[in-house]
Amino acid sequence: AQSVTQLGSHVSVSEGALVLLRCNYSSSVPPYLFWYVQYPNQGLQLLLKYTSAATLVKGINGFEAEFKKSETSFHLTKPSAHMSDAAEYFCAVSRINNNDMRFGAGTRLTVKP
Amino acid sequence: DARVTQTPRHKVTEMGQEVTMRCQPILGHNTVFWYRQTMMQGLELLAYFRNRAPLDDSGMPKDRFSAEMPDATLATLKIQPSEPRDSAVYFCASGLAQGGSGANVLTFGAGSRLTVL
Repeated sequence: AQSVTQLGSHVSVSEGALVLLRCNYSSSVPPYLFWYVQYPNQGLQLLLKYTSAATLVKGINGFEAEFKKSETSFHLTKPSAHMSDAAEYFCAVSRINNNDMRFGAGTRLTVKP
Repeated sequence: DARVTQTPRHKVTEMGQEVTMRCQPILGHNTVFWYRQTMMQGLELLAYFRNRAPLDDSGMPKDRFSAEMPDATLATLKIQPSEPRDSAVYFCASGLAQGGSGANVLTFGAGSRLTVL
């Protein structure tokens, strides 16, 4: 079965600094990969997805992620953090021809003024 | 703006009581997922359905949990009897699986926060 591992349960950056949230996947077949964001007391919202087209994927709110097959990674980045980016971020994986979606443990992003 | 609706938003109950959580998926979506979120375990996949048929419920404790889709507009997750360790936020999500090639992007509900005393 496929799975994802998020490195670092908590990341803290200063406002304006680079955001880097790490995700590595494990899948025996080509994966679909996703990043979701969760704000307090809300459900998860899709940030971006990779579906075997371009390896560099741009999402909402200035986030992007790059699929690197050689490293089995799908790290999430944003050049300049904003206070409103403070939230929990989840990496997820599913497979072509398969519907189930598995989430990582999540990374809580704190943005300091 | 289409959304997944979950009820109740909050539920406090006593150990041993039956709990039913309901989910209205987005109209036209053909997959429904139930997740449980806790601080210790993160997001756990409990069960999912495609075209109302259960595809996988291996993440669900079978002795006390059950998930059903009586029709395309309603999914239910039932716990009987409930236990304190079931306290968590339960999320429903729906998506549109398009044959063999489409990515199943999920839309999540706001969650049902369950507290079992």
